Amino acid sequence: AQSVSQHNHHVILSEAASLELGCNYSYGGTVNLFWYVQYPGQHLQLLLKYFSGDPLVKGIKGFEAEFIKSKFSFNLRKPSVQWSDTAEYFCAVNAYNQGGKLIFGQGTELSVKP
Amino acid sequence: DGGITQSPKYLFRKEGQNVTLSCEQNLNHDAMYWYRQDPGQGLRLIYYSQIVNDFQKGDIAEGYSVSREKKESFPLTVTSAQKNPTAFYLCASSMLGNNEQFFGPGTRLTVL
Repeated sequence: AQSVSQHNHHVILSEAASLELGCNYSYGGTVNLFWYVQYPGQHLQLLLKYFSGDPLVKGIKGFEAEFIKSKFSFNLRKPSVQWSDTAEYFCAVNAYNQGGKLIFGQGTELSVKP
Repeated sequence: DGGITQSPKYLFRKEGQNVTLSCEQNLNHDAMYWYRQDPGQGLRLIYYSQIVNDFQKGDIAEGYSVSREKKESFPLTVTSAQKNPTAFYLCASSMLGNNEQFFGPGTRLTVL
């Protein structure tokens, strides 16, 4: 069965620190990749997505992610986090032959200390 | 204002009762989805529908039922057969052929 693994359950950083959240998936075919964010008390919203083309994708609020096909990875990065980045982050994968179904990772809770 | 609405925000039910969660969208999306979110487990797909009057089971469909009589609406019934119904339930929608899903605010169900 396809699965998505996020390595870190809870990450605590100070403001201005750099962020990298790991995401690996287990599917050998064509995939579409997503990072969603859930700020406290808010809807789950799309941070960025990769469908094809340049494997380095930029999203909202200074986030970016790199698709490395050989490593089945789609890690999320931000050079300098802010207190307002405190949220839960979810990696999700859509396999080409699975219609619109998304498989989500377990989520990573990010706490940024001011 | 386009979007997805879920009601109610909080719901309490006694064990053994069926309960129906509402999901409505005015984005003109063909596909709709129901997820369950539990701490440390991410989102797990319960049911999805790509067209009116048709739906498919997701990974954890047991104890749940859905209907899709209208394009805008995709209600989820949590039946008494669901062993651990207390959870946060999220509804989402997307255009067919576009896998970006848009999410509603969620309903937190507590079964006492």
